[in-house]
Amino acid sequence: QVTLKESGPGILQPSQTLSLTCSFSGFSLSTYGMCVGWIRQSSGKGLEWLANIWWNDDKYYNPSLKNRLTISKDTSNNQAFLKITNMDTADTATYYCARRALFPTGSYFDYWGQGVMVTVSS
Amino acid sequence: DIQMTQSPASLSASLGETVSIECLASEGISNDLAWYQQKSGKSPQLLIYAASRLQDGVPSRFSGSGSGTRYSLKISGMQPEDEADYFCQQSYKYPTFGGGTKLELK
Repeated sequence: QVTLKESGPGILQPSQTLSLTCSFSGFSLSTYGMCVGWIRQSSGKGLEWLANIWWNDDKYYNPSLKNRLTISKDTSNNQAFLKITNMDTADTATYYCARRALFPTGSYFDYWGQGVMVTVSS
Repeated sequence: DIQMTQSPASLSASLGETVSIECLASEGISNDLAWYQQKSGKSPQLLIYAASRLQDGVPSRFSGSGSGTRYSLKISGMQPEDEADYFCQQSYKYPTFGGGTKLELK
């Protein structure tokens, strides 16, 4: 059974760095074709993909946020991480991690965590 | 980036009614498209991938079709549990999502 769960600070101030952890089970990020992605959802911008990290440590970032994002993983502990620097009120959103698996055609987010709400406020 | 324009933004359907939701990509995406359902307060769930393939466990009343830049999700026979937000997402280039469709039971 595949499960993912996000954890984070809940609230932080503008200009701070957000650190998120995705703890997962039921699959391994050392297995060929596996990937964990981060997606956020706000009322203003809908769903926005942020970053992916693949089993081979390839990393991809949303170009519009690339300078602020760092994705990493701890394969032995089944965790993935996302850091976002210089947080702003516009970054207030629910942040999801999701498994992105290789299907016979393409790769898709087939399991999602419950999400963690992050509020940026002074 | 590839823009995904989803329509309509909202619709209401009666029990048993067939509904369709469309997504238009700003460029061809070679069927590299998924549909997700998101119920209130929950995370998105994968319904359809590769434009027309049903994810395991998804009821057969859901179907997807399309090619090139135009794709659609059809629900054949609206059920109460289908009340939700629906999103399309392309994986052809870095992932982008449609703006969503709010489906309500009339």
